[in-house]
Amino acid sequence: DIQMTQSPSSLSAVVGDRVTITCRASQDISNHLAWFQQKPGKAPKSLIYAASSLQSGVPSRISGSGSGAEFSLTITSLQPEDFATYYCQQYYSYPITFGQGTRLEIK
Amino acid sequence: QVQLQESGPGPVKPSGTLSLTCAVSGGSISVGNWWMWVRQPPGKGLEWIGEMYPSGSTHYNPSLRSRVNISLDKPKNQFSLRLSSVTAADTAIYYCAKKPSGIYSIDSWGQGSLVTVSS
Repeated sequence: DIQMTQSPSSLSAVVGDRVTITCRASQDISNHLAWFQQKPGKAPKSLIYAASSLQSGVPSRISGSGSGAEFSLTITSLQPEDFATYYCQQYYSYPITFGQGTRLEIK
Repeated sequence: QVQLQESGPGPVKPSGTLSLTCAVSGGSISVGNWWMWVRQPPGKGLEWIGEMYPSGSTHYNPSLRSRVNISLDKPKNQFSLRLSSVTAADTAIYYCAKKPSGIYSIDSWGQGSLVTVSS
């Protein structure tokens, strides 16, 4: 199985900050990497597919980058609605696997 | 926009079988998408369970393969999950989801259904 490791596990920031979350795969996954956002008590929301393509309706302050085994999710100018838990996921090979999550909290 | 809605009978007893259905609206289940189940134990991360394509092709998580079955009901435009021999470790929120074929990832999620395994 491909292991997905996110860092940090949690971080604190204030509205207006720029934050970056990193996701590392245990092997090359090309660009088959997705990012999801989840708020407490809610279903995940799809943000990014193919490492850098935004899902419909996702604001442009959210971006993804990377290829191979190292990826990042960047949010510029944090908004109150961005405070949530973020998960990366590889869909390069089965079984599909998720990172452990990064909790983004208000400082 | 496709919408997904999980439903199920409620709590399940240990050693029993968990059954959930995902009703699909706003699109046909027979079109080229993977129909998927993902679960999340309370307070923990996401775990992929498996998926099925309209052709009948399936992929399952090896950790669950011996106990899981996903099926499509094309006339009813819904798909289902069955997980047998459940234990307390199977207590989780179960989400159904849609993933277009190709380089795309999940683009639609159900709201989730909490299934508790308890005697």
